[in-house]
Amino acid sequence: GQNIDQPTEMTATEGAIVQINCTYQTSGFNGLFWYQQHAGEAPTFLSYNVLDGLEEKGRFSSFLSRSKGYSYLLLKELQMKDSASYLCAVMDSNYQLIWGAGTKLIIKP
Amino acid sequence: GAVVSQHPSWVICKSGTSVKIECRSLDFQATTMFWYRQFPKQSLMLMATSNEGSKATYEQGVEKDKFLINHASLTLSTLTVTSAHPEDSSFYICSARVGTTEAFFGQGTRLTVV
Repeated sequence: GQNIDQPTEMTATEGAIVQINCTYQTSGFNGLFWYQQHAGEAPTFLSYNVLDGLEEKGRFSSFLSRSKGYSYLLLKELQMKDSASYLCAVMDSNYQLIWGAGTKLIIKP
Repeated sequence: GAVVSQHPSWVICKSGTSVKIECRSLDFQATTMFWYRQFPKQSLMLMATSNEGSKATYEQGVEKDKFLINHASLTLSTLTVTSAHPEDSSFYICSARVGTTEAFFGQGTRLTVV
């Protein structure tokens, strides 16, 4: 079966760095997405990786290793507004998005 | 980026009534739209894939007669929850994909059935 694993919850301190991991097992691979979702709101797109390596976009970076079925989202200089759920999703061979359950990130002052 | 507008943002209805949710792509044409349901503290669950001009493809376990999907044009897909019951209360989200690289989401609809 297809499976996306990510931690349920993480806590970090304002101004610090946090890494959210995602491992996956899917039928084929056409890219991995990270989304941010604040409570009661729809997800918003953060990043897309289809090749191995690190993609940097401001305070957020996303890494992919296809051979390991592994990705992480790195958030630097954490701000209180970064408190949200972070969803990892993989596009399979049928171009369907397979979603992880999300990681709730709690930022403390 | 592409804009997807979903309406209404929230709705309360009586048990047994039907509710229609609209999903519009405002500045692009979406041949395919996706409808998701999300229960509290859970991930998105794909309900169906909506293709313009053809019948929707429903995921296993989703009742197609209860969740009616219509994709009448390249910019509009609708989800109608028929004979709603309290257990249908959830957060419903539509998304449209541009090419194969991104999915743009509507704002979501919070449905409460009383």
